[in-house]
Amino acid sequence: AQSVSQHNHHVILSEAASLELGCNYSYGGTVNLFWYVQYPGQHLQLLLKYFSGDPLVKGIKGFEAEFIKSKFSFNLRKPSVQWSDTAEYFCAVNALEGSGGYNKLIFGAGTRLAVHP
Amino acid sequence: DAGVTQSPTHLIKTRGQHVTLRCSPISGHKSVSWYQQVLGQGPQFIFQYYEKEERGRGNFPDRFSARQFPNYSSELNVNALLLGDSALYLCASSRAPTGNYGYTFGSGTRLTVV
Repeated sequence: AQSVSQHNHHVILSEAASLELGCNYSYGGTVNLFWYVQYPGQHLQLLLKYFSGDPLVKGIKGFEAEFIKSKFSFNLRKPSVQWSDTAEYFCAVNALEGSGGYNKLIFGAGTRLAVHP
Repeated sequence: DAGVTQSPTHLIKTRGQHVTLRCSPISGHKSVSWYQQVLGQGPQFIFQYYEKEERGRGNFPDRFSARQFPNYSSELNVNALLLGDSALYLCASSRAPTGNYGYTFGSGTRLTVV
């Protein structure tokens, strides 16, 4: 079955610490991978996406992610977090469904990050 | 350009009632998808519409229905509300149903069923 697994449900860091959030997916087809962020009270915003090409993807706000096909992983990293990075982070895979040729996003359960000053 | 707009932002309904949620996609986007986000979980796919036709449906009961209008806006309807329908309902628009250009999400409608 198609699924996305995020290993850490809650992460607490101090400012300037490095961040790595794990994401593994189970999907047999060509993958498009996404990381979304949801700040408190706000909508889901796209951090970065991987469709093809360079497996190291750079996104907004200093975030990056590495697609490792052999490990079915797409981990999110940031070398130095800030208090403003406090949010919930969702990994998602774009899964092609049915003969109608539509896609749906399959999300992980999310990781809630709290950054302390 | 305006982003994806959803209305209302918050809603409180009683068990057994019916609710209609609305979504206007980004101008030029012809595909609208609906997701349900229960507290503590990631969003779950409900429907996708493209060019006014249903292209896909997730694992939700028939109490959930949707439609897309000629201007590409969409409505999600839920009948016979249950307590478990309490969630944030998200609308996402994209240029095409395959999502090759990515998806843009609205702020959501928070539905509380009491």
